[in-house]
Amino acid sequence: EVQLVESGGALVQPGGSLKLSCAASGFTLSSYTMTWVRQTPGKGLEWVSAITVNYVPYYSDSVKGHFTISRDNSKNTIYLQMDSLRAEDTAVYYCAKDLTPQWEFDAFDKWGQGTMVTVS
Amino acid sequence: DIQMTQSPSTLSASVGDTVTITCRASQSINSWLAWYQQKPGKAPKLLIYKASSLQSGVPSRFSGSGSGTEFTLTISSLQPDDFATYYCQKYSPYSWTFGQGTKVDI
Repeated sequence: EVQLVESGGALVQPGGSLKLSCAASGFTLSSYTMTWVRQTPGKGLEWVSAITVNYVPYYSDSVKGHFTISRDNSKNTIYLQMDSLRAEDTAVYYCAKDLTPQWEFDAFDKWGQGTMVTVS
Repeated sequence: DIQMTQSPSTLSASVGDTVTITCRASQSINSWLAWYQQKPGKAPKLLIYKASSLQSGVPSRFSGSGSGTEFTLTISSLQPDDFATYYCQKYSPYSWTFGQGTKVDI
């Protein structure tokens, strides 16, 4: 069974840093582009960052320059390093898996349960 | 950047109704569109991908159509489990953008 489990969310002060992890199981992580999506409490979904199977990162304009996505296929884990955190980064952060292996741009067929980041 | 606009924002319906949600892209995205269902406190669930392909395990009362800039999600014979918020998402190269969501309630 495919599972994605996020961790690392916390309460952090503005300007602080946090590193989120997403542990994957039940599929070959190295074959899929992986993505982080966030959701502000009571609001909609916002794509944050993605990393392809070739380790190419993509970022939304709102996080470019202060978030860094990475992957360690040997540990079946993806990461989101968040620096210079701002109040507007407060959200539930989900990791998600692409539907199709080896594709760089795809829908997300599996999501984790999310981890809460509060910047205050 | 391509913007995704859903309508309506809220939709009131009853069990057994057929409902349609519209998603418009500010420029053509071919058929690179997905639909998700989200319930409170839960992660989104993929329903439809490539505009009209039904994800495995999703009931056939869900259907998607459209291409280019206009897309629809139709739920036939609404069931109690279908009351949720629905999001469209475009996944064309180098960016992924969600619509603002449509809440389907009683």
